[in-house]
Amino acid sequence: EVRLLESGGGLVQPGGSLRLSCAASGFTFSSYAMNWVRQVPGKGLEWVSSLSGSGISTYYADSVKGRFAISRDNSKNTLYLQMNSLRGEDTALYYCAKGEAYDQSGVDRWGQGTLVTVSS
Amino acid sequence: QLVLTQSPSASASLGASVKLTCTLSSGHSSYAITWHQQQPEKGPRYLMEVNSDGRHNKGDGIPDRFSGSSSGAERYLTVSSLQAEDEADYYCQTWGTGIVVFGGGTKLTVL
Repeated sequence: EVRLLESGGGLVQPGGSLRLSCAASGFTFSSYAMNWVRQVPGKGLEWVSSLSGSGISTYYADSVKGRFAISRDNSKNTLYLQMNSLRGEDTALYYCAKGEAYDQSGVDRWGQGTLVTVSS
Repeated sequence: QLVLTQSPSASASLGASVKLTCTLSSGHSSYAITWHQQQPEKGPRYLMEVNSDGRHNKGDGIPDRFSGSSSGAERYLTVSSLQAEDEADYYCQTWGTGIVVFGGGTKLTVL
């Protein structure tokens, strides 16, 4: 069974940093692209970032480019999102999502999310 | 620019069928999309992928009541024999070079 378990969310001040993690199990982690998707409570889904199975190819939404960094450790089956220079508008529930293929593709599994709150 | 357009809301009666639409932006009518369901206070759940030729591949455990189809730049999700638990937000998603896109979502109300 595919499982994605996010952690690392919390309250952080504007301008601060946070690192999210996503522990994956139940599939060959290195064979699939992975994604971070966020959702402001009561609003729609917003893509944040993706990376290929090897981790070499990375992609970012314009709203986070230059501030967030996605990475993965295939030996630990773990996905990361380093978030720097956080702003109030980054406040959201952050989901880890598995891709259908090695590089950019549809999403076919979701984690339960971890809440990030940016506030002073 | 790759954009997905969904109607904000839809409604249908218990036991009836409903067809939700996701429209691809001009020049992107060959793209596949995925459909996702988000029930109240829950995380999203993958339903299926729908290709431009109408073929769809459903996720594990998705009931036969859910089906997908295509016509031109439109991708559809049909839910038959509506049940109370089908009341949810439904999102479509696609991808291109360096980008992943979600539609704005359709809130389905089961009357």
